Amino acid sequence: NAGVTQTPKFRVLKTGQSMTLLCAQDMNHEYMYWYRQDPGMGLRLIHYSVGEGTTAKGEVPDGYNVSRLKKQNFLLGLESAAPSQTSVYFCASSYEREGPQGYEQYFGPGTRLTVT
Amino acid sequence: DQQVKQNSPSLSVQEGRISILNCDYTNSMFDYFLWYKKYPAEGPTFLISISSIKDKNEDGRFTVFLNKSAKHLSLHIVPSQPGDSAVYFCAASERGGADGLTFGKGTHLIIQP
Repeated sequence: NAGVTQTPKFRVLKTGQSMTLLCAQDMNHEYMYWYRQDPGMGLRLIHYSVGEGTTAKGEVPDGYNVSRLKKQNFLLGLESAAPSQTSVYFCASSYEREGPQGYEQYFGPGTRLTVT
Repeated sequence: DQQVKQNSPSLSVQEGRISILNCDYTNSMFDYFLWYKKYPAEGPTFLISISSIKDKNEDGRFTVFLNKSAKHLSLHIVPSQPGDSAVYFCAASERGGADGLTFGKGTHLIIQP
């Protein structure tokens, strides 16, 4: 049981290049999320998905697109990378629990992206 | 506008003593609160959570207290151990968190031997 995995771990892009970050989870979770973390900041939500085939915008969605074609995968795309997108990207997944409990999220190890 | 605030960027505590990490929030619609622990170059790991219908939740050495009227929560770690040295993030959500979490900036806890 690998949990949440992210590919790649590191990447350097030039301004204007495109790339896709892959997140995979083997816990059969319905919900998946993409966050970014910048130095001295907390994690900020980019996009999320509440089920296969659905996506929604988070707090900082501009410059990113996502797709959830399969339940276990959530892809984050940068069509034209900018230096402001230099960050560490975290993927997370969660499931709904019974009772007055919320959605505990499980995080991947992160992808460190540098845009020059 | 920051909805979740952790006003102490760092905290140093002696091994064996109590560590108290604080968090304030402004959004009265938040109904679920969580604490995550993060080591360098790793993803955050879930520590403990609390629903807005409770004011305390315990799990081993970790206790979270919620004061809804003050919009304040705190994480108590007793006793503090060297492995507790990490960055701790407070997070909150509406509707249980299905739509994602709002994080504070984190507090770097350092446990001194």
